[in-house]
Amino acid sequence: EAQVTQNPRYLITVTGKKLTVTCSQNMNHEYMSWYRQDPGLGLRQIYYSMNVEVTDKGDVPEGYKVSRKEKRNFPLILESPSPNQTSLYFCASSPVEGGMEQYFGPGTRLTVT
Amino acid sequence: GEDVEQSLFLSVREGDSSVINCTYTDSSSTYLYWYKQEPGAGLQLLTYIFSNMDMKQDQRLTVLLNKKDKHLSLRIADTQTGDSAIYFCAEFRGKLQFGAGTQVVVTP
Repeated sequence: EAQVTQNPRYLITVTGKKLTVTCSQNMNHEYMSWYRQDPGLGLRQIYYSMNVEVTDKGDVPEGYKVSRKEKRNFPLILESPSPNQTSLYFCASSPVEGGMEQYFGPGTRLTVT
Repeated sequence: GEDVEQSLFLSVREGDSSVINCTYTDSSSTYLYWYKQEPGAGLQLLTYIFSNMDMKQDQRLTVLLNKKDKHLSLRIADTQTGDSAIYFCAEFRGKLQFGAGTQVVVTP
């Protein structure tokens, strides 16, 4: 089944404790992206990747890192999480350069205390 | 303005038509999208329209595009309880820009 998977789905952590949210897609898509969703703000792009070893900042990259060592994986890294990073995070991938027609993962709800 | 704008809430009776409205920002946007998010799930692409089209129909869904006013709407005919969700409008201008989402509640 073609899909985007994320792990974990739910995470509660404490301020400053490094964490990684994994994202994997099995559709051989070149474009991948991370978003955060906050009430009243819709989805805001954190980082995106056009291909392996090519990543770029989105609209709200502060406090986040990503890597794209393989085509299928695009982990999101929070080196020192803070409470304002409490949010719902979505990974997405697209077969189209530039990110049209994105396919979304199920989401990761992160709480930072 | 800079933002894609949508009303935040819509209540509709089962069997009626729903109309969700959106205004976008860039008249040069090539594609405009509607995504659906059900509770606890990710976003699912419902439909999209290319900017040189005025209307697109897909079963119960009708998308209308008014480029002059930069207005996009999604009409759902014969709304069902399974249509209760958050609906996001998005424009593509180099990247996807999403609205804040419209919560649609379908009542029996």
